[in-house]
Amino acid sequence: DADVTQTPRNRITKTGKRIMLECSQTKGHDRMYWYRQDPGLGLRLIYYSFDVKDINKGEISDGYSVSRQAQAKFSLSLESAIPNQTALYFCATSDLRTPYEQYFGPGTRLTVT
Amino acid sequence: SQQGEEDPQALSIQEGENATMNCSYKTSINNLQWYRQNSGRGLVHLILIRSNEREKHSGRLRVTLDTSKKSSSLLITASRAADTASYFCATDDGSARQLTFGSGTQLTVLP
Repeated sequence: DADVTQTPRNRITKTGKRIMLECSQTKGHDRMYWYRQDPGLGLRLIYYSFDVKDINKGEISDGYSVSRQAQAKFSLSLESAIPNQTALYFCATSDLRTPYEQYFGPGTRLTVT
Repeated sequence: SQQGEEDPQALSIQEGENATMNCSYKTSINNLQWYRQNSGRGLVHLILIRSNEREKHSGRLRVTLDTSKKSSSLLITASRAADTASYFCATDDGSARQLTFGSGTQLTVLP
């Protein structure tokens, strides 16, 4: 079984809809991250969490919110989806002792029409 | 904003040849890492080089770091078709809080 899972893997939604992307991990890591990837660009950090009570904004948090329901679960919400949020979204985790070695989920391809 | 910029953006080589890709960054770093992404998949960590290191090897991978030029290179020797992927450099500032990724090099290894 994959260590970092994301659901759904693909989603098409309409402008204005609220959508939640979910991430679960079995690696026992405290740190979790949400990134988005646009064609031809690297990953940009949306939010990150170092434990259940610690949530931090990344480079591009506007239009997004997150919830860390448990050590193993970190959800990303788009409150009112817009077309320029069409992208590939990745969840990642890392261990406190090796914070820079991140483990990525398979990604969620989100299309907002 | 992107901290790292990879060069070239795309590289196509024959199987068995060596592939070299470069990363330049803007601000002081603590570590630099390279990640691989197969098409439509999540990134996979390849290698980390610390700011006080100049060269590091892992299997067919060789990474160099020149902090005076704010640049790094990733060399893949004896490339294979399975090496076809995008390669990203990622830097951190030592705060242990987050990584900043470059825009990536798309490597195609032709059989």
